[in-house]
Amino acid sequence: DAKTTQPNSMESNEEEPVHLPCNHSTISGTDYIHWYRQLPSQGPEYVIHGLTSNVNNRMASLAIAEDRKSSTLILHRATLRDAAVYYCILRNKAAGNKLTFGGGTRVLVKP
Amino acid sequence: DTGVSQNPRHKITKRGQNVTFRCDPISEHNRLYWYRQTLGQGPEFLTYFQNEAQLEKSRLLSDRFSAERPKGSFSTLEIQRTEQGDSAMYLCASSLGSRLSGNGYTFGSGTRLTVV
Repeated sequence: DAKTTQPNSMESNEEEPVHLPCNHSTISGTDYIHWYRQLPSQGPEYVIHGLTSNVNNRMASLAIAEDRKSSTLILHRATLRDAAVYYCILRNKAAGNKLTFGGGTRVLVKP
Repeated sequence: DTGVSQNPRHKITKRGQNVTFRCDPISEHNRLYWYRQTLGQGPEFLTYFQNEAQLEKSRLLSDRFSAERPKGSFSTLEIQRTEQGDSAMYLCASSLGSRLSGNGYTFGSGTRLTVV
C-alpha cells in the first residue's frame, strides 16, 4: 500500500479552523484519499474521501493538491468534540479492500 | 440499525485460555473486517470477509486466530491459547461493497482484551 506521512500531533483553539496535512508522494492514479478519525475509547469514524477534486461534507473539507502528492483535511470550526486522532489513508481497490492505517495526527483542541 | 455492534466490550482472560468475540455488522453490508489496535498505534488489518467468504488474511493472523462469518451476517473471532501479547483492542468494521471504491467503513466500538 502507498504510504502516507502525517505530523504526530497538532493543537488548535476552539472555534478556530484546523488544517491537517498529509503527504502521499507515492500515490497512484487509482488511489482514493480517505480520512478517518478516532475519538478516545471508540472505533475509527469515517470523515471524508476524495480522488482528485476537493470535497466538502458536513464534517469537514478535503483539499487535494493538483499533483495529488498531498492533501489537507480542514475542520472549519474546531470544537472540543473534534479532539481525536485523524488518519489519512490511501485506498486502492486493486490492492484489496482493506484500509491500512498509519500513526495518524493527534489533535488537541483547547478551550 | 444501530451500527456495528461488538460483544463483549471488555474481556479479561488468563494466559492459555481461549476467547471468542462477536461482531454484528450493519445488516445490508456485505463486507466485514477485523482489526487489532494496541495502545498508541493505528489499527492493524487482520482479515476480511465478503459475505461468508474469507478473502484475505494478514500475516498477523497466526494459527491461533480464526475468524468465521457462517451465514454472511455476524462474525466471530476466536483466539486460542491466549498470550499476553494478544492484549489489544479488537475492532470490527463493515462496508457495502460496490463498484465505487469510496464506500466508507463503519467501525464498532471494539472489544478490549486483557490477557493476564
